Amino acid sequence: GENVEQHPSTLSVQEGDSAVIKCTYSDSASNYFPWYKQELGKRPQLIIDIRSNVGEKKDQRIAVTLNKTAKHFSLHITETQPEDSAVYFCAASEDTGGFKTIFGAGTRLFVKA
Amino acid sequence: EAQVTQNPRYLITVTGKKLTVTCSQNMNHEYMSWYRQDPGLGLRQIYYSMNVEVTDKGDVPEGYKVSRKEKRNFPLILESPSPNQTSLYFCASSWGGTTDTQYFGPGTRLTVL
Repeated sequence: GENVEQHPSTLSVQEGDSAVIKCTYSDSASNYFPWYKQELGKRPQLIIDIRSNVGEKKDQRIAVTLNKTAKHFSLHITETQPEDSAVYFCAASEDTGGFKTIFGAGTRLFVKA
Repeated sequence: EAQVTQNPRYLITVTGKKLTVTCSQNMNHEYMSWYRQDPGLGLRQIYYSMNVEVTDKGDVPEGYKVSRKEKRNFPLILESPSPNQTSLYFCASSWGGTTDTQYFGPGTRLTVL
């Protein structure tokens, strides 16, 4: 079946450093790629998303890049802060042949002060 | 306040005792979905619904049922729960289907003994 692989599973960075999380998807029909942040004990919340007709999108310290040819997309967080510590999930979905959303397994990010 | 609600938030039950987890949204969203979250596996989609009376299987539908009789409600039914259904369950909804922001409920932690 379709799947999304996410790496690394755990990432530890020093405050102020950058963090990069990478995802690879298998369904070539996928055209929407959101990233969700889940703080401990909370629900996932969207932080940024990108559609297949765009190669890069930025929102303040967060950016996402998409390479449709290679079927991978990445989350970049610059100038990390302790409040960035959370689990981050990537996902891939499409709205043509099916309506599923496939999530990656998640990356636990630790930002050390 | 725009929100997705789930009840109950916590539930401990025994094998074979039918249960229902309710999900309700007040945002007039057409798309609703159920996920289960397990350590190391991320969020896996159980069922989704594109509109009233339209439901379809996600990646892990075995042992679950859903119904969508009203736009705002999307209950998850476990007819005969088993211990391998012990998990954290999230309901989510979105306006534009799978290629739009999904808003998650607070989660239901289910333990099946």
